[in-house]
Amino acid sequence: AQTVTQSQPEMSVQEAETVTLSCTYDTSESDYYLFWYKQPPSRQMILVIRQEAYKQQNATENRFSVNFQKAAKSFSLKISDSQLGDAAMYFCAYFNGNKLVFGAGTILRVKS
Amino acid sequence: GAVVSQHPSRVICKSGTSVKIECRSLDFQATTMFWYRQFPKKSLMLMATSNEGSKATYEQGVEKDKFLINHASLTLSTLTVTSAHPEDSSFYICSATSGAVYEQYFGPGTRLTVT
Repeated sequence: AQTVTQSQPEMSVQEAETVTLSCTYDTSESDYYLFWYKQPPSRQMILVIRQEAYKQQNATENRFSVNFQKAAKSFSLKISDSQLGDAAMYFCAYFNGNKLVFGAGTILRVKS
Repeated sequence: GAVVSQHPSRVICKSGTSVKIECRSLDFQATTMFWYRQFPKKSLMLMATSNEGSKATYEQGVEKDKFLINHASLTLSTLTVTSAHPEDSSFYICSATSGAVYEQYFGPGTRLTVT
């Protein structure tokens, strides 16, 4: 079964600084999708970024970018120029063809 | 676009009663809807997948007779928690897709408290 591991339960970053959230996953598939979702205190799940496994180029969305290492099964999220509004729970997720499998989440705190 | 709503946003019910949670896709037709459960500061656990007009597919360990899911139309799915108990208290989130199943749009969630 596919698993997604987020080894950092909690991270802190100073406003305007950069932070990287880690995610590893386990799969025997060669084609799949990976995601980072943000869940702010409102608890509304927000898609941050998506990566198709067949694409070698790392996905970017404004201040958010990923470091996708397919061989290492690693999918980290880098947030640049952190803002107070980035404070949230971040979930890494893997799509196995039928459903999303979520990691345990990382709470990101942003200090002003 | 791609807005999903849930109603109610929070509900309190007495132990032994049933409660229904609605999930609606407001501006698209949802061929597939998903129901998740989330405990405080924990991850989302998929409970079931429902396709319009067919029976829901439940994840292992989820009691289908306790968590009744109906996907009667392309814009509405309902989750009914039957004979609720305090341990059913949780945050329930739905998501919907209109095409690619990996592209899920999430509702704002429903907080259920069973007293």
